[in-house]
Amino acid sequence: QVQLVQSGAEVKKPGSSVKVSCKASGGTFSSYAISWVRQAPGQGLEWMGGIIPIFGTANYAQKFQGRVTITADESTSTAYMELSSLRSEDTAVYYCARDQEQQLVPGSDAFDIWGQGTMVTVSS
Amino acid sequence: EIVLTQSPGTLSLSPGERATLSCRASQSVSSSYLAWYQQKPGQAPRLLIYGASSRATGIPDRFSGSGSGTDFTLTISRLEPEDFAVYYCQQYGSSPRLTFGGGTKVEIK
Repeated sequence: QVQLVQSGAEVKKPGSSVKVSCKASGGTFSSYAISWVRQAPGQGLEWMGGIIPIFGTANYAQKFQGRVTITADESTSTAYMELSSLRSEDTAVYYCARDQEQQLVPGSDAFDIWGQGTMVTVSS
Repeated sequence: EIVLTQSPGTLSLSPGERATLSCRASQSVSSSYLAWYQQKPGQAPRLLIYGASSRATGIPDRFSGSGSGTDFTLTISRLEPEDFAVYYCQQYGSSPRLTFGGGTKVEIK
């Protein structure tokens, strides 16, 4: 069974960038979309975007266009999410999640496998 | 973007009772691409229901989903102690505009 293991917690200054990784083990990586979902403290879930590693092209939610970059490295079965121009409102737990089925477009399926989450704190 | 509105915000029930959670979409969700997740404190969400009514692998049959178009329901037939959590609906029929509802907390009365 596929597992997604994310990198550790980060503390960043406003205006800087953060890059979070999500490594897959135990199954197929390249042909399933990986999405990134964030959750601010005490708040709900927010989809940021996703990528299908074998295609290499990412889709982004409009809110994050221009500020987020999602990439994938097939050789290491790892997906990455980089968020720039950080502000305090970006303080959240960031999750990676895998589509339930193979799809042609990221963000077009339910997520059956989730990473453990990475806490990103933005503070001066 | 499809906005999902979940109600009620909080549901206070006792173990053994029936829970009915609502998710209303601002426009029709194509092909019933609607999922439900359960999230407990400090944990990642867990997929319960996809395609509006199909249970995910390993999900007990006390969880059921129904609905189509703009109105969807998650029903927990008899609440077990481990079912007290926050539940989110998600629509995935309008990529790249996948959206989640704001959540319903099911708490012990």
